[in-house]
Amino acid sequence: EAGVAQSPRYKIIEKRQSVAFWCNPISGHATLYWYQQILGQGPKLLIQFQNNGVVDDSQLPKDRFSAERLKGVDSTLKIQPAKLEDSAVYLCASSLEASYNEQFFGPGTRLTVL
Amino acid sequence: GEDVEQSLFLSVREGDSSVINCTYTDSSSTYLYWYKQEPGAGLQLLTYIFSNMDMKQDQRLTVLLNKKDKHLSLRIADTQTGDSAIYFCAEKPGYGGATNKLIFGTGTLLAVQP
Repeated sequence: EAGVAQSPRYKIIEKRQSVAFWCNPISGHATLYWYQQILGQGPKLLIQFQNNGVVDDSQLPKDRFSAERLKGVDSTLKIQPAKLEDSAVYLCASSLEASYNEQFFGPGTRLTVL
Repeated sequence: GEDVEQSLFLSVREGDSSVINCTYTDSSSTYLYWYKQEPGAGLQLLTYIFSNMDMKQDQRLTVLLNKKDKHLSLRIADTQTGDSAIYFCAEKPGYGGATNKLIFGTGTLLAVQP
């Protein structure tokens, strides 16, 4: 079974630029999550999708971050414009259903904002 | 409030047992998790325990939960150099609904000396 795929693996941009990350969850997984992991900290949930609907985006900075999962499969996370404090690893995870206990994580995208 | 704390660093010798500790504040937590993160990789679920259990054993891993003190520990028997990684404790709050948010600790870096 293929795992959660993410691209790109690394991205370096200058502040005020825009960036987008892509995630392909495990086939058949209805729930998709985006986490932000700042260096030296644990991951923090940004947004949770159930199929193509948003379940929880309470910690998403909506003035600059947006995410979509239009067909209920792949997802993109966008930052526009980026700030220095957005430098982090962005992790995508998926689970079979929202109530399922195991979340499977992708390798992450490491973003550096200069 | 939701807060999960861990010690930052643990060093052990190969073959010894490792004990990684975690404290949390949310008394309504339903499940508690241990994840492992190797350099440049995503998070791998090691084990989890339901909040009404005291102990769970899975091969070399033993999880102990003291719900009264809100204390969780992970014991790794016969620690190997391949166990060197960052270990994250996480809790799933019990406020129900469709949200499946995990609250992560800051992680404990386990260094195994040969």
